[in-house]
Formats: sequence, C-alpha cells, structure tokens
Amino acid sequence: EDQVTQSPEALRLQEGESSSLNCSYTVSGLRGLFWYRQDPGKGPEFLFTLYSAGEEKEKERLKATLTKKESFLHITAPKPEDSATYLCAVSYSSASKIIFGSGTRLSIRP
Amino acid sequence: NAGVTQTPKFQVLKTGQSMTLQCAQDMNHEYMSWYRQDPGMGLRLIHYSVGAGITDQGEVPNGYNVSRSTTEDFPLRLLSAAPSQTSVYFCASRAGLNYGYTFGSGTRLTVV
Repeated sequence: EDQVTQSPEALRLQEGESSSLNCSYTVSGLRGLFWYRQDPGKGPEFLFTLYSAGEEKEKERLKATLTKKESFLHITAPKPEDSATYLCAVSYSSASKIIFGSGTRLSIRP
Repeated sequence: NAGVTQTPKFQVLKTGQSMTLQCAQDMNHEYMSWYRQDPGMGLRLIHYSVGAGITDQGEVPNGYNVSRSTTEDFPLRLLSAAPSQTSVYFCASRAGLNYGYTFGSGTRLTVV
C-alpha cells in the first residue's frame, strides 16, 4: 500500500537544541517529496522539494535530505518561531495525486 | 499575485443543507485538489483535477461533488451536509506531477 509515515508525532525541544524529523515512504516511482510547514489556523506553506536520493535542500535553520526510503528534516539551533506542524508528502509514478503524512508537531521552548 | 483563494473562511450549516466552497487560483496551474483536515487524521484527498473538464475521486469522495469548467476555478459542493463533514477544507493547486502544492488558507466548516 502506498503510504507516508512521519515520526515522531510530536517533539518538544529547548531553544537551540537541534533535532531531526523523519518521513518514510512506501511508494514506487517517486516523482518528488515535499516538506510543508503549517501554523495553527493556516494552510500548509511549501518549504522544499526533493527529487532523488542524495539530494539536500537548505533554508535558514532547516535542511531536508532524501534517501531511497525516507527523508529527514534537520532543524539546527531552533527558535520558538520554528514551532509548527511539519508535513511531508510524496508524488509518485503516474499518480495524479499527492499523499500526505500525518505530520510532526514541533514545539520549541524559549 | 493572490495564489489560491478560498471562500468563505468560516461556515456553519444545518444537517441536510447544501453549499458550495469556492476555490480560485491565478497561477495557471493544471492540477487542483480538495483536501479535508481533521485532528489526528492528517490531510485526506477528497477530489482532484488534472485540467479543465477532468476530475477524479480521491480517498474520501462520498458526499462531495466537484466540477472544473475553467483552469482557474474548482468548486466543491456538499450535497446534503452531515455532522461528519465538520472539518477544515483546503484547496490546492500545482503546476505538474513533479511540483508541490500551493494551498489556500482554508474553510472551517461546522455542521450542526
């Protein structure tokens, strides 16, 4: 079954404490893996697209990496404003649809 | 550059009522989708479209209809609202299979 699984469901960090979020997928013919940030009461905001194993993308304190089975979103020295839900999604084979993981709720304490 | 615009932002319906959630995008994207988001369930695909005149069902299509008469607009119709349709609805568009979605700001629907 085509599936996207994110872990952990929730993560609480102290400001400055680096960590990683995981997104594993079981689809054939990956076309793209996408990371989004969602703040309460708002729509998901696009962060990164990764297309092939070994690819990396960076934006401020965030770095996304991709292997053949999973992706990691690394957060370096996070700040309270990084608190949000982070969503992972994949587009695959000839599928005209994207499937999403259930997200990781990240909370950064000052 | 408005992106994806959804209206209304909030709506309360009585059981059995019908309504249409509006979605418009100004990026000339071929692909558009409707998702619903419920606590603990993530984003679930309702219907999607790969171009004007072409629509297909997603994961949870029952109780909803869509049409795509133009590239810009993709309305979602609730035929006879039920409390189980209480949710936040997001419309999204993308340029093609290798691209991610741009999302609207959502419609928070409550069915009483």
